[in-house]
Amino acid sequence: AQSVTQPDIHITVSEGASLELRCNYSYGATPYLFWYVQSPGQGLQLLLKYFSGDTLVQGIKGFEAEFKRSQSSFNLRKPSVHWSDAAEYFCAVGASDYKLSFGAGTTVTVRA
Amino acid sequence: GAGVSQSPSNKVTEKGKDVELRCDPISGHTALYWYRQSLGQGLEFLIYFQGNSAPDKSGLPSDRFSAERTGGSVSTLTIQRTQQEDSAVYLCASSVTIRQPQHFGDGTRLSIL
Repeated sequence: AQSVTQPDIHITVSEGASLELRCNYSYGATPYLFWYVQSPGQGLQLLLKYFSGDTLVQGIKGFEAEFKRSQSSFNLRKPSVHWSDAAEYFCAVGASDYKLSFGAGTTVTVRA
Repeated sequence: GAGVSQSPSNKVTEKGKDVELRCDPISGHTALYWYRQSLGQGLEFLIYFQGNSAPDKSGLPSDRFSAERTGGSVSTLTIQRTQQEDSAVYLCASSVTIRQPQHFGDGTRLSIL
């Protein structure tokens, strides 16, 4: 069965510092991978996606992620965080043509 | 353009009552999905529609849950005889078609007293 692991439940980072959120997946074939962000009281906003091709993908809000097949990972990075990046981040794998399987999420706190 | 719209944004009801949650997808999106987000279970897939058909209902937690989609557009998720464990945020998403990125609404927060 497909699964997604986000090892870090909560990360605190200083404004202006770099951020890396980890995501590992278990999937038998080449996966479709996504990162979503959720602010309190809101739905999920798509940050970026990987379907195929270049393993380093760029997303919105200055985020990027790198697909590493050998490590079954799809880590999200941002060089310099802003206070507005405080939110919960979800990694997801396309477990089928239509069903997303989500990780448990990582909450990011940004301190001034 | 307009995103996925869900209503109501919040719903409080008594145990045993029926509730209907509505989702209006992005115009032109043929695929529509329902997920549930709860503290204990995280984000769970419930059901998806391709057009008006629901090929996979396997995520529906019990037969108290049902969903329909009409005109290839609006979808309604109905929960009958609500229980306290149904309390959660119900998220709807749509995509141009399957295998395309899913775009989410802001959800309906359901509280069962």
